[in-house]
Amino acid sequence: AQSVTQLGSHVSVSEGALVLLRCNYSSSVPPYLFWYVQYPNQGLQLLLKYTTGATLVKGINGFEAEFKKSETSFHLTKPSAHMSDAAEYFCAGLNAGGTSYGKLTFGQGTILTVHP
Amino acid sequence: ETGVTQSPTHLIKTRGQQVTLRCSSQSGHNTVSWYQQALGQGPQFIFQYYREEENGRGNFPPRFSGLQFPNYSSELNVNALELDDSALYLCASSQARGSGNTIYFGEGSWLTVV
Repeated sequence: AQSVTQLGSHVSVSEGALVLLRCNYSSSVPPYLFWYVQYPNQGLQLLLKYTTGATLVKGINGFEAEFKKSETSFHLTKPSAHMSDAAEYFCAGLNAGGTSYGKLTFGQGTILTVHP
Repeated sequence: ETGVTQSPTHLIKTRGQQVTLRCSSQSGHNTVSWYQQALGQGPQFIFQYYREEENGRGNFPPRFSGLQFPNYSSELNVNALELDDSALYLCASSQARGSGNTIYFGEGSWLTVV
């Protein structure tokens, strides 16, 4: 069964600092991987996704993530944090086979706080 | 704007009642999934519909049921509501199941059970 683990339920950075949100997945089959952002009292907005091909994926709002199969990781980064980046971020894996076909498995989420 | 619309946005129900939540998927999307997001947690998969048939289910009891209509819109029904059913219910649509196509989420329906 696939699982997604986000290391750190809360991350705090200063405005202009590097943002690094960690995500590891566990799967016998390389999954499709996603990062979503959720602002307070809103739904989920897709930041970026990895399916096949280039392992460095660029998304919206300056975010990017790198798929590292050897480390089973898909960490999200942004070179310079903005106040508007404050939100909760979810890493998710999509099962592309087996009995859980089409199911998104989410991590527990990481709340990003950006200080002035 | 994802093109996925959910209704109602907020509702309050009493324990033991039944609730129906609705989702209109993005145009051209034939796959709809429902997720439950309890406060402070990540979304949990409830079930998925593909071309009007349920083709995957998470660890939820049978009192959680659903439908998908010919226009690919969907309903989530929950019977015999319990206090723990209080959560944000998210609908997601995609063009095809499991293919890695982008999955779009609606804004959700906030359900409070008292």
